[in-house]
Amino acid sequence: GAGVSQSPRYKVAKRGQDVALRCDPISGHVSLFWYQQALGQGPEFLTYFQNEAQLDKSGLPSDRFFAERPEGSVSTLKIQRTQKEDSAVYLCASSPGNEQFFGPGTRLTVL
Amino acid sequence: DQQVKQNSPSLSVQEGRISILNCDYTNSMFDYFLWYKKYPAEGPTFLISISSIKDKNEDGRFTVFLNKSAKHLSLHIVPSQPGDSAVYFCAASAERSGGGADGLTFGKGTHLIIQP
Repeated sequence: GAGVSQSPRYKVAKRGQDVALRCDPISGHVSLFWYQQALGQGPEFLTYFQNEAQLDKSGLPSDRFFAERPEGSVSTLKIQRTQKEDSAVYLCASSPGNEQFFGPGTRLTVL
Repeated sequence: DQQVKQNSPSLSVQEGRISILNCDYTNSMFDYFLWYKKYPAEGPTFLISISSIKDKNEDGRFTVFLNKSAKHLSLHIVPSQPGDSAVYFCAASAERSGGGADGLTFGKGTHLIIQP
């Protein structure tokens, strides 16, 4: 389809494991965003890319979180040494302008 | 400190009637507002937006009203249909200095239930 896709859809990790979450944005969208959504909350901004440049990473909760978009299309959010509090749905969105179009998210559960 | 607030966690409306979802914000720098609809196990779907230079935007059954002086916006759905049952998120953004997009600030959502 032509929408934003994310993989995996579900990920279970043991505490201390590293995880990598992938986002394929809509083709041609310059802007890409990552959000974290905890249960019962709205999505919270993590980081923003314009093409391959990471222009804002102010929402990343700790230095265990790292995001990249090396070629300006696919992006990967990496979480090192996962903790229980990292359990959430991680949403990726791409944008041609003001509206952001979201993928289905990756539900991460850290045991 | 929540900058975007949706004070009603849930709302129940009869099919065919009007649904009104409310949202308040505190950051006067916000200049663009959006409503998203979310079904379980799916990402938020963009519904409708409004720029701060307008006070109303309409798209089919959906109308968003913005009251800048009150820092309040609302989403009206009329007539409400069973497929409208979902969680609705209000979101806001501020123009990024130097141009470009900005991360959205979301409310906690309102679960709308349309009763037959």
